[in-house]
Amino acid sequence: AQSVAQPEDQVNVAEGNPLTVKCTYSVSGNPYLFWYVQYPNRGLQFLLKYITGDNLVKGSYGFEAEFNKSQTSFHLKKPSALVSDSALYFCAVRDANYGGATNKLIFGTGTLLAVQP
Amino acid sequence: EAQVTQNPRYLITVTGKKLTVTCSQNMNHEYMSWYRQDPGLGLRQIYYSMNVEVTDKGDVPEGYKVSRKEKRNFPLILESPSPNQTSLYFCASSSSTYSYEQYFGPGTRLTVT
Repeated sequence: AQSVAQPEDQVNVAEGNPLTVKCTYSVSGNPYLFWYVQYPNRGLQFLLKYITGDNLVKGSYGFEAEFNKSQTSFHLKKPSALVSDSALYFCAVRDANYGGATNKLIFGTGTLLAVQP
Repeated sequence: EAQVTQNPRYLITVTGKKLTVTCSQNMNHEYMSWYRQDPGLGLRQIYYSMNVEVTDKGDVPEGYKVSRKEKRNFPLILESPSPNQTSLYFCASSSSTYSYEQYFGPGTRLTVT
């Protein structure tokens, strides 16, 4: 079965420090991986995606993610955290069943990022 | 402004009282879907639609209905809501079934007592 795991419910980091939000996946075939962010009382916003190519993917708001096939991981990173980065972050993989025709995303349980000033 | 809108944003209702949550997108997207978000479970897909008059079940369709009579609208219908349908609901759309980026609405928080 395809799945995404986010092992940390919450990540705490001081402003200015680097941050990492972890994600591992299990899929059949090539994974299409995504990160979304959810701010309080808002919908999910797309941050970045990995489809193919360079293992380091750059996205919105200075975030990047590193795809590691051998470790089946897709960790989200940022060199210097801001208080405004505090939000709920979701890792997702596109469902590969039916050749991806359903366009369904399989989400992790989310990681709350708290950046302290 | 390109966006997905949902109404209402908040709803408290009683068991068995039919309700509809509307979803509308202004991007001429073909693909739309509904998810529910529950603590510790992430988001799970309820129903999706590849185009007008084409809908199919997602992972948790029980107790829900949808329709897609127009491209821009994809309402979620709860014929007889129950307390286990208390959740945060999101509508999403993308330009096509194979489009990678999906746009999400602001969410509808539903409480069924």
